[in-house]
Amino acid sequence: GDSVTQMEGPVTLSEEAFLTINCTYTATGYPSLFWYVQYPGEGLQLLLKATKADDKGSNKGFEATYRKETTSFHLEKGSVQVSDSAVYFCALRQLTGGFKTIFGAGTRLFVKA
Amino acid sequence: NAGVTQTPKFQVLKTGQSMTLQCAQDMNHNSMYWYRQDPGMGLRLIYYSASEGTTDKGEVPNGYNVSRLNKREFSLRLESAAPSQTSVYFCASSIDANTEAFFGQGTRLTVV
Repeated sequence: GDSVTQMEGPVTLSEEAFLTINCTYTATGYPSLFWYVQYPGEGLQLLLKATKADDKGSNKGFEATYRKETTSFHLEKGSVQVSDSAVYFCALRQLTGGFKTIFGAGTRLFVKA
Repeated sequence: NAGVTQTPKFQVLKTGQSMTLQCAQDMNHNSMYWYRQDPGMGLRLIYYSASEGTTDKGEVPNGYNVSRLNKREFSLRLESAAPSQTSVYFCASSIDANTEAFFGQGTRLTVV
């Protein structure tokens, strides 16, 4: 079945460091891919998405590119801030039978001042 | 700007007790979902409702029931709570099956 694998956390970075959180997926066909962020005590918020191969999603300085050849959707940010500390979830949704969004286990990010 | 509202935010139950988690959305979305979040496992779909009047099982439906009361409201019921149901529960909604979901703030449930 479909699945999403994320790098294990926690990831601890200093402010202004470069961030990469790896995400790979297994799926048939051409799913849509998402990154969600969960701040402490809150629900998940959509951070960015990509719906087809080579699409780049971007928001708030974060970027991820849909790479079909490597089945990856890695999240990157050039300069993290303390306010980016949160849990990040990679997810996929199939376009058919599309009620099921498959989530990765989440990666916790800590950013130190 | 309420979005998706869940009640309660926290609950402690004894094994065997029952309770209903409430969820309401004000975005006129057709589809609604209940997920549970457990450490190291991401989110898993319990039940969903594609549209008003329909409900279907997700990945982990055992021990739960749902009701789509109207377009706005989608409740999750635990008839006889078990410690394995200790989790954080999230309600979500989307315009339809192929658009991104918007999440509520979650209900932290502990069953002792």
